[in-house]
Amino acid sequence: AQSVTQLDSHVSVSEGTPVLLRCNYSSSYSPSLFWYVQHPNKGLQLLLKYTSAATLVKGINGFEAEFKKSETSFHLTKPSAHMSDAAEYFCASGGGADGLTFGKGTHLIIQP
Amino acid sequence: DTAVSQTPKYLVTQMGNDKSIKCEQNLGHDTMYWYKQDSKKFLKIMFSYNNKELIINETVPNRFSPKSPDKAHLNLHINSLELGDSAVYFCASSQVLTRGYTFGSGTRLTVV
Repeated sequence: AQSVTQLDSHVSVSEGTPVLLRCNYSSSYSPSLFWYVQHPNKGLQLLLKYTSAATLVKGINGFEAEFKKSETSFHLTKPSAHMSDAAEYFCASGGGADGLTFGKGTHLIIQP
Repeated sequence: DTAVSQTPKYLVTQMGNDKSIKCEQNLGHDTMYWYKQDSKKFLKIMFSYNNKELIINETVPNRFSPKSPDKAHLNLHINSLELGDSAVYFCASSQVLTRGYTFGSGTRLTVV
């Protein structure tokens, strides 16, 4: 069975400062891992995915994530936050016909 | 061209009614899914379906049933709607071997 834990329900940063959104996973096998972003009243947009290639994954809009098997983590980072980054972020694990298992989400707030 | 399209975008209906949400994908993917996002924004898979197999999340009430007329469509039928069914429902598709998922923009269902 897979599970995904997003360690922070809310994260608040100032514009121009780094962003760190934390995600731990539990899986009995080497998982595929994903980060999605959801802006208010919008659908889910894929930021990046890890599928057992390079452990440092670069995504859209300056986001990246590092897969650390020893820590079972897949944290999302961005060097400099922008106001448009304010949204809900979801970490997910899975692959195949079973679909994705999502974390409970992290609400990112950007302070001006 | 919209890759995964859902209709309607908004659906308001009374308790006890039966309703359907349609989903179509033009990506040639082999598997389609329905997810439910509750009021706390938690996303949970309801069904996954390819031409050979329907996988049902055991927590989904049998009032919910997926119908797939062909590989590009997976509609969601809901009988005897209840207040607790109010949520945003997302359709998604994937090509299982590549583990790439694409989501529709969601259908906001409100049961009154």
